[in-house]
Amino acid sequence: NAGVTQTPKFQVLKTGQSMTLQCAQDMNHNSMYWYRQDPGMGLRLIYYSASEGTTDKGEVPNGYNVSRLNKREFSLRLESAAPSQTSVYFCASSYLRRLNTEAFFGQGTRLTVV
Amino acid sequence: KNEVEQSPQNLTAQEGEFITINCSYSVGISALHWLQQHPGGGIVSLFMLSSGKKKHGRLIATINIQEKHSSLHITASHPRDSAVYICAIAQGGSEKLVFGKGTKLTVNP
Repeated sequence: NAGVTQTPKFQVLKTGQSMTLQCAQDMNHNSMYWYRQDPGMGLRLIYYSASEGTTDKGEVPNGYNVSRLNKREFSLRLESAAPSQTSVYFCASSYLRRLNTEAFFGQGTRLTVV
Repeated sequence: KNEVEQSPQNLTAQEGEFITINCSYSVGISALHWLQQHPGGGIVSLFMLSSGKKKHGRLIATINIQEKHSSLHITASHPRDSAVYICAIAQGGSEKLVFGKGTKLTVNP
């Protein structure tokens, strides 16, 4: 039982390059989330998906797009990376909406944009 | 203004000490989460609380809804407890968690 799997773990991009962060969960969870973590700040929500086929913006969606490919997978795309997107990205999932149940997190993706 | 405030920001303890980390919040919530993040980055859920108290091994979490305050206690601390502890609230009616900035705990042998 893998839980939440994120790939890649590390990535270095040049400004303007694009990439997709992949996330998959095997717990049959309805809700999936993408967060970014920056030094001195709490995790901030980028996008979330309350169920298959739906996505909604969080606090900091600019510069990102997401796809809820199926119930298991939720990807985050940077179309044109900027240095301000240097961060650690976490995918999370939970069974119910509103996170009134335990949340499970991936191991994180450390992204550097130069 | 941060809706979730944690204190202290940093905490250093000797092995065996009793540890308390505090979390205060300013809005109505449906649940509060305590998370642990080890060096190397993975985040693990420790507790989800909506009232009262929960215990798991040497960890105890309490919440006072009226005072909008929660505490995480670690009894008989150990160097392997060294991590960042994060408080997060699920606001009533919202889809998202709001996170505190975390408390970095270092337990020395």
